Amino acid sequence: QVQLVESGGGVVQPGRSLRLSCAVSGFTFSSFGMNWVRQAPGKGLEWVAVISYDGSNEYYGDYVKGRFTISRENSKNTLYLQMTSLRNEDTAVYYCARTRPGSRAYGEFDYWGQGTLVTVSS
Amino acid sequence: QSALTQPASVSGSPGQSITISCTGTSSDFVSYNFVSWYQVHPGKAPKFLIYEVSNRPSGVSNRFSGSKSGNTASLTISGLQAEDEADYYCSSYRSSNNVEFGGGTKVTVL
Repeated sequence: QVQLVESGGGVVQPGRSLRLSCAVSGFTFSSFGMNWVRQAPGKGLEWVAVISYDGSNEYYGDYVKGRFTISRENSKNTLYLQMTSLRNEDTAVYYCARTRPGSRAYGEFDYWGQGTLVTVSS
Repeated sequence: QSALTQPASVSGSPGQSITISCTGTSSDFVSYNFVSWYQVHPGKAPKFLIYEVSNRPSGVSNRFSGSKSGNTASLTISGLQAEDEADYYCSSYRSSNNVEFGGGTKVTVL
């Protein structure tokens, strides 16, 4: 079955960097666009970034543009999120999510991981 | 602040139907029919309920249905059950390759 397992979360000081990983199984990773979505404590969902199946295209939400980088390693069935210049407001559970097959637009996430918590605090 | 507005809470008794609205302010929202809905139980991974306004993914109960008129999309849950108590989020594609979520609606089963 489809599984997405995030890792790499933890406590980090403002201004520092952190890299999240998402290991997937149960489907052909190299055929699907992938996303990161986050949820701050007590807040709603917020889309972070998307990357195309082959890594040739990537797009970002307004609040992370220029600071976060999404990437993938298809040979390892792994998605990444490199986060730099972290701010207190980046504190959230970060989910990786698969783009629905056949989707004609971004924003359709059919499978999600359990999430990894990132806490930005001094 | 979300550009998609949802009511903070909606409640209903078991067996009843409830509707959650999702109102957009952008012309993209009116023009595109790329609205999705998600169910989130506390501490659990979100579940994909609806895509392209009214399509249900395989395996999603037909008690969940979606619609859209003008600048408002809606999710209806019919035959409300205890396990439907959760947070629900709408999302929509925006031009310039962006995605926005609504602020979320807490559904309470009385």
